[in-house]
Amino acid sequence: EIQLQESGPGLVKPSQSLSLTCSVTGYTITSGYDWSWIRKFPGNKMEWMGYISNSGSTNYNPSLKIRISITRDTSKNQFFLQLNSVTTEDTATYYCASQGLGRFDYWGQGVMVTVSS
Amino acid sequence: DIQMTQSPASLSASLGETVTIECRASEDIYNGLAWYQQKPGKSPQLLIYNANSLHTGVPSRFSGSGSGTQYSLKINSLQSEDVASYFCQQYYDYDTFGAGTKLELK
Repeated sequence: EIQLQESGPGLVKPSQSLSLTCSVTGYTITSGYDWSWIRKFPGNKMEWMGYISNSGSTNYNPSLKIRISITRDTSKNQFFLQLNSVTTEDTATYYCASQGLGRFDYWGQGVMVTVSS
Repeated sequence: DIQMTQSPASLSASLGETVTIECRASEDIYNGLAWYQQKPGKSPQLLIYNANSLHTGVPSRFSGSGSGTQYSLKINSLQSEDVASYFCQQYYDYDTFGAGTKLELK
């Protein structure tokens, strides 16, 4: 069974970078799927942020393109989110998920990140 | 961006009742739509993909329908374990989500 688990700091200061890790078990991230980050804002609006494919290419939400980077460590079967120059509007619960043929088949539990000084 | 308008925002229903949740897309999404269930503190679970295909292991009381810009999720014979939030996702053009529906027992 594929399992995903997010980890990272729960509090980030404005203007700094948000960095999260998604650890995947039960499946090798180079074998298939695209590996995505999605966030859910207070008030429940959800936003797809971007993905890294199983081959290592990336695709980002145009609204975040200048601030976001998704990378991976295949030796650890992990992928990462970095979001730069955060503001309070980036406060959200961040999820990692596997995406195949459009839909998100497996999700992590989510990690709440607050941007505050 | 394709906007997804989901309704209702909240819903109260009795055990055994049939409930319907709807999502309207701002343009034709050609059945590129999924439905998810999320319980408090849990990760979202895929229910339906391609608008009307039941994901593996999902009870048959869940069904999806629709085309073009209008889609719906129906839950027949509501069970207590169906109390959750539900949201739609279009994946025809990038990915955008509905705002969610909170389903409670009456």
